[in-house]
Amino acid sequence: GAVVSQHPSWVICKSGTSVKIECRSLDFQATTMFWYRQFPKQSLMLMATSNEGSKATYEQGVEKDKFLINHASLTLSTLTVTSAHPEDSSFYICSARRDLTYEQYFGPGTRLTVT
Amino acid sequence: KNQVEQSPQSLIILEGKNCTLQCNYTVSPFSNLRWYKQDTGRGPVSLTIMTFSENTKSNGRYTATLDADTKQSSLHITASQLSDSASYICVVSDNNDMRFGAGTRLTVKP
Repeated sequence: GAVVSQHPSWVICKSGTSVKIECRSLDFQATTMFWYRQFPKQSLMLMATSNEGSKATYEQGVEKDKFLINHASLTLSTLTVTSAHPEDSSFYICSARRDLTYEQYFGPGTRLTVT
Repeated sequence: KNQVEQSPQSLIILEGKNCTLQCNYTVSPFSNLRWYKQDTGRGPVSLTIMTFSENTKSNGRYTATLDADTKQSSLHITASQLSDSASYICVVSDNNDMRFGAGTRLTVKP
């Protein structure tokens, strides 16, 4: 079955530092991947759409200079939270859209805590 | 206003009992409707996906229904188990985007 992995699964960083989160489709190609943020007891909120070989498309209100997205290959997208602040603490989830079927598969999520 | 509304917000049931979760949507045009199960601290896992022409779809103890005319869907869980405790998210897609409901948090108690 289609599997999407995220690394790390959790990370604690100090305020002002940058954190990189990886999203990989393990057994299929995904030209398009999505990054979501989820606060406690809330649903997923789309942050940006990542396209291999081109610039990401950000949702309204999401700072593209703060949340850097790089979709370097058909199986890997990365989200870098730059100059992290405590309010960036959240659960970040990626999903990958399988090229052949357009079905979307979610990763297990990354818990980011900024102290 | 969210285009996908779920009810109830939370639900507590006893192990072995059945329950039904509701999803109403206004998303248009309609492409498909998915139900996901999300365990705490984990990513969503797909339970069912239905297109316009499908009225019912089952996945083990989970049965989803869709009424495209009234734009309503339900997820019925039969003979609940403790492991069913999770958030259940209804996601409705138009031709381009996925619209997420806020989810129903289900707690199954022994």
